[in-house]
Amino acid sequence: GEDVEQSLFLSVREGDSSVINCTYTDSSSTYLYWYKQEPGAGLQLLTYIFSNMDMKQDQRLTVLLNKKDKHLSLRIADTQTGDSAIYFCAEKLEGGGNKLTFGTGTQLKVEL
Amino acid sequence: NAGVTQTPKFQVLKTGQSMTLQCAQDMNHEYMSWYRQDPGMGLRLIHYSVGAGITDQGEVPNGYNVSRSTTEDFPLRLLSAAPSQTSVYFCASSLDINSPLHFGNGTRLTVT
Repeated sequence: GEDVEQSLFLSVREGDSSVINCTYTDSSSTYLYWYKQEPGAGLQLLTYIFSNMDMKQDQRLTVLLNKKDKHLSLRIADTQTGDSAIYFCAEKLEGGGNKLTFGTGTQLKVEL
Repeated sequence: NAGVTQTPKFQVLKTGQSMTLQCAQDMNHEYMSWYRQDPGMGLRLIHYSVGAGITDQGEVPNGYNVSRSTTEDFPLRLLSAAPSQTSVYFCASSLDINSPLHFGNGTRLTVT
């Protein structure tokens, strides 16, 4: 079955790196996504990775995918106060159209 | 370019009332979908549409109806609101079933 899990909270100091982790159970994932949600707003697509890749870097963001362990992570370098938000990982399954299964979200708090 | 527009932003209903949540996109996206977001549960898919005239059920469709008479609009109807439908509702669209989803800013619905 489909299940995507994330830890609920992460607190980091400004300037440090943040690593947000996600595990999933279904091995037929085709794409895995990271979305950011700021208070009162919708979900903003940050980045995504195709399931046959193991890493993707985009400016301060690095996505690592370990297919064997079904583990996805998002690293934010030089974390800023503007990065405080809820981060969702989501998977799209093979043959699932564009239906995404979301994790419960990780609330990132950046402290001065 | 407005993207995905949802109205209203906030709504309070009494149990048994009906209402329609509006969603419009101006990106000529074929795929549109509705999710609900509840605390500790991530986002769950209610209904989706792969093109005008075509709709299908998602994970939690009970109590909701949709229609897709045009490419641009995908309204979500609650025929008889229940307190269990208190949630934040997000509409999302994508160019096709292989492209990333773009989300609206959400409608916060409270049913008393």
